Amino acid sequence: ETGVTQTPRHLVMGMTNKKSLKCEQHLGHNAMYWYKQSAKKPLELMFVYNFKEQTENNSVPSRFSPECPNSSHLFLHLHTLQPEDSALYLCASSLGTEWGLVYFGEGSWLTVV
Amino acid sequence: DAKTTQPPSMDCAEGRAANLPCNHSTISGNEYVYWYRQIHSQGPQYIIHGLKNNETNEMASLIITEDRKSSTLILPHATLRDTAVYYCIVTNSGAGSYQLTFGKGTKLSVIP
Repeated sequence: ETGVTQTPRHLVMGMTNKKSLKCEQHLGHNAMYWYKQSAKKPLELMFVYNFKEQTENNSVPSRFSPECPNSSHLFLHLHTLQPEDSALYLCASSLGTEWGLVYFGEGSWLTVV
Repeated sequence: DAKTTQPPSMDCAEGRAANLPCNHSTISGNEYVYWYRQIHSQGPQYIIHGLKNNETNEMASLIITEDRKSSTLILPHATLRDTAVYYCIVTNSGAGSYQLTFGKGTKLSVIP
């Protein structure tokens, strides 16, 4: 238990579906992140939020839409995905005074069919 | 952030010390060395970090060379549960850094 909870753990969706991944942290952190991990590739940072404001968007396609209603919750809205978007999506959080100390959730396994 | 170089894989006998090297020859003065590990199908887990001095916690020890161009993560008594991919990351942990950049890491296999 890392204090970062992701749901669902597994998701299968069609290319025309709309779904969302949810992340919640109970650590009192102010920064939250979405990472993507495809098979045999390093983790890729997708989005960063600091105090609910998006501070990083690493050239992520618009079919991925993040939402951060408060510092404890982060969503990743998914629509019209492609099969190559199938991956492990990891949420993480950290405290602003120590950005390098990041706590990750268990991840959401996404399969696009 | 400075780039790091790690061997792609290593084996270690159960109960022995696992020594995982990392080269970071372009590290700058305000950059820390962080180590994370990722057990199969789980999120990465923080292990330890340091700036100049050697560090030790309940999980591991971190040895940083005097010139700070390389470091070694030591798991003193490796167990089967330590089988994972270990990532060495160099980053400025100060305000505005916002992100960790993961490489391919070292896949450590602990053998019975």
